[in-house]
Amino acid sequence: AQSVTQLGSHVSVSEGALVLLRCNYSSSVPPYLFWYVQYPNQGLQLLLKYTTGATLVKGINGFEAEFKKSETSFHLTKPSAHMSDAAEYFCAVSEGYGGATNKLIFGTGTLLAVQP
Amino acid sequence: GAGVSQSPSNKVTEKGKDVELRCDPISGHTALYWYRQSLGQGLEFLIYFQGNSAPDKSGLPSDRFSAERTGGSVSTLTIQRTQQEDSAVYLCASSLGFEINTDTQYFGPGTRLTVL
Repeated sequence: AQSVTQLGSHVSVSEGALVLLRCNYSSSVPPYLFWYVQYPNQGLQLLLKYTTGATLVKGINGFEAEFKKSETSFHLTKPSAHMSDAAEYFCAVSEGYGGATNKLIFGTGTLLAVQP
Repeated sequence: GAGVSQSPSNKVTEKGKDVELRCDPISGHTALYWYRQSLGQGLEFLIYFQGNSAPDKSGLPSDRFSAERTGGSVSTLTIQRTQQEDSAVYLCASSLGFEINTDTQYFGPGTRLTVL
């Protein structure tokens, strides 16, 4: 069965500092990996996704993530945090090649706070 | 264009009552998903409709939960004899097709269900 682990339910950074949100996955088939962001009282918005090809994926709002198969990780980074980045971030995995369904399996989320 | 819409945005009900939650997907999207977001369980997949195929109901927590999608568009999630543990935000998502590597799931704002 697939699963996702997000280390750190709360992360606080200073404005301008590096953002690093950790995600590790477990999958018996090549995974498809996603990062979603949820702003207060809003739905989920896709930040970026990895399916195949280049392992460094760039997304919206300056975020990027790197798929590392050897570490079963897909950590999310942003070089310089902005106040508007404060939100909850969810890592998700889906069955990739050979998978039977498109359902997303989500991690428990990481709430990012950005301090002025 | 219009995104995924859900109604009502908030629903308060008494234990034992039935509730219906509605999802209007993005026009032309053939795939529709329901997820549940709760404090205890995080984000969980509930059910997935893919074109005219039989839905994937593997995430429905009990037989009190059911969903239908009429005319390949609007979907209704029904919870019968609601329990307090059903309190959660119910999220709907839709995607143009059902290829996980190309078809992004777009989420609605959710319906917050409170069972007293």
